[in-house]
Amino acid sequence: EPEVTQTPSHQVTQMGQEVILRCVPISNHLYFYWYRQILGQKVEFLVSFYNNEISEKSEIFDDQFSVERPDGSNFTLKIRSTKLEDSAMYFCASRPNLSAGELFFGEGSRLTVL
Amino acid sequence: DQQVKQNSPSLSVQEGRISILNCDYTNSMFDYFLWYKKYPAEGPTFLISISSIKDKNEDGRFTVFLNKSAKHLSLHIVPSQPGDSAVYFCAARDGGATNKLIFGTGTLLAVQP
Repeated sequence: EPEVTQTPSHQVTQMGQEVILRCVPISNHLYFYWYRQILGQKVEFLVSFYNNEISEKSEIFDDQFSVERPDGSNFTLKIRSTKLEDSAMYFCASRPNLSAGELFFGEGSRLTVL
Repeated sequence: DQQVKQNSPSLSVQEGRISILNCDYTNSMFDYFLWYKKYPAEGPTFLISISSIKDKNEDGRFTVFLNKSAKHLSLHIVPSQPGDSAVYFCAARDGGATNKLIFGTGTLLAVQP
């Protein structure tokens, strides 16, 4: 069964460093999302991406965050200068079309900022 | 602003009995509701969904009920099994430009053997 894959599974970084989290969505999916979950809290929407551009972003997704689809398969989330409060699980998700109800999630990347 | 709320952070049920997980929402523009199951260190896995035009959807041991007038939905699992032990998230599709999902805070279900 096709699945969304994410790398790395866990990254530890120093505050102020740049981090890139990578995702390979399901191949025929067109809509891509990043969510995060701070430990013990709800899964929060960060950004949605379609047709090589951001279609919606949350208040969390400030200038320190960026996304891109550099090669038609990978979908990346970059945090330019990490802060302690960026420590969370980051989930990539995709869906084939906008009318689909379900989002397919990857297993997540745990980011720990020291 | 919590648009999707799960007021019970945890629930403990005996194996074989019914588990009922509840979810409330505030936005009447939500057009589709989903339940996801999540194990530690894994991503959310889709379980079952319901359109806002229906009031019930059943899939095997899982049934979701939607009460639009009360802005309330529930997930029934019967019979509950130990393998059902996980965090269950209620999610709502916001019907906006990107149809993003908005999640509740989750309910940790523990099914005791």
